[in-house]
Amino acid sequence: QQPVQSPQAVILREGEDAVINCSSSKALYSVHWYRQKHGEAPVFLMILLKGGEQKGHEKISASFNEKKQQSSLYLTASQLSYSGTYFCGTEMEANAGKSTFGDGTTLTVKP
Amino acid sequence: EAQVTQNPRYLITVTGKKLTVTCSQNMNHEYMSWYRQDPGLGLRQIYYSMNVEVTDKGDVPEGYKVSRKEKRNFPLILESPSPNQTSLYFCASSLSMGARYQPQHFGDGTRLSIL
Repeated sequence: QQPVQSPQAVILREGEDAVINCSSSKALYSVHWYRQKHGEAPVFLMILLKGGEQKGHEKISASFNEKKQQSSLYLTASQLSYSGTYFCGTEMEANAGKSTFGDGTTLTVKP
Repeated sequence: EAQVTQNPRYLITVTGKKLTVTCSQNMNHEYMSWYRQDPGLGLRQIYYSMNVEVTDKGDVPEGYKVSRKEKRNFPLILESPSPNQTSLYFCASSLSMGARYQPQHFGDGTRLSIL
């Protein structure tokens, strides 16, 4: 039931774009994205709810394909501060409160 | 300042010695949750609580206990810790997991080493 994230790691230059995917084999109610820098707590980025509602960060966008049960996080014109590990977490409608996270995608942005 | 506070931040202890990691939030959040994070892996949910006196198992509850006697506090109890519980632990809270999903706010983490 754990969502699968891809790719596992990405290296970019400043200004380049990246897409991180999160796929589930189960029907989802919500997908949430967090970024974690080394040694720090995860920080909320984006929520996508079944039905298309989104709540999130101004400079980051995401999509949720309900047919495929896949979410994609789009990081455009990346900055050095975007470096970190990105996690997607999923919640199923039948299990409100139970969150399952992927293993993360490590993003490194170089000057 | 709105925050989730965990204590202690670091603890080294021995097998079998009961310990409690405290978690407190000052945002009047209904939902609280505990996660563990091991190197190279994501967050795995241990227990969660939708509200006072309501707790439920996450994906990895074995060896842990929780209680939610009041809204702001959600302690994690290891009755008889073992080395495989050495990990980084995060507590999180959110406004409500009821009608609409709300973002989770995480504490700074507790690094536990069990020898």
